[in-house]
Amino acid sequence: GDSVTQMEGPVTLSEEAFLTINCTYTATGYPSLFWYVQYPGEGLQLLLKATKADDKGSNKGFEATYRKETTSFHLEKGSVQVSDSAVYFCALSSGGYQKVTFGIGTKLQVIP
Amino acid sequence: ETGVTQTPRHLVMGMTNKKSLKCEQHLGHNAMYWYKQSAKKPLELMFVYSLEERVENNSVPSRFSPECPNSSHLFLHLHTLQPEDSALYLCASSQGAGVTEAFFGQGTRLTVV
Repeated sequence: GDSVTQMEGPVTLSEEAFLTINCTYTATGYPSLFWYVQYPGEGLQLLLKATKADDKGSNKGFEATYRKETTSFHLEKGSVQVSDSAVYFCALSSGGYQKVTFGIGTKLQVIP
Repeated sequence: ETGVTQTPRHLVMGMTNKKSLKCEQHLGHNAMYWYKQSAKKPLELMFVYSLEERVENNSVPSRFSPECPNSSHLFLHLHTLQPEDSALYLCASSQGAGVTEAFFGQGTRLTVV
């Protein structure tokens, strides 16, 4: 079946540091790939997505590129802020019933 | 209201109680989902409803009983739960066939005592 692997963390960075959260996946066919973010006490929000190989999703300074050859979708941001502290989930979607498979989530803590 | 709304936000129940979680979406979506979020574990998809019909039941114990009376509302009826059922229960919705993003509610934090 489909699966998503990401580091659990926590990842602790200083403000303005560079962020990378790795995500790899296994899936049949050609899934769409997503990054969701969950702020404390909230539900998940879509951060960015990519629907085919070599697509780059971007939002709020975050980027991720759909790499079919390495089955990866790593999340990057050039300069993190304290307000980026949250849990980040990599996910994929395939099949006919809008099913989404999530990774375990990576907790990011940004300190001033 | 807009988006996906879940009530209550917090619930404490005894193992012999019966309670229900409610989810309402105002996005015009035709698919709704229940997920369970536990510490140190990936989100677990519990149920999927598409056009008000249940299309997915991921081996969820019968003490969890979903209900989808229309495309805007989704319930999760709970009875005789166990302490290990304590978790954040998330509702989500999406639109269309194929591959689309899901919109999530804020969740219900359930504690079983």
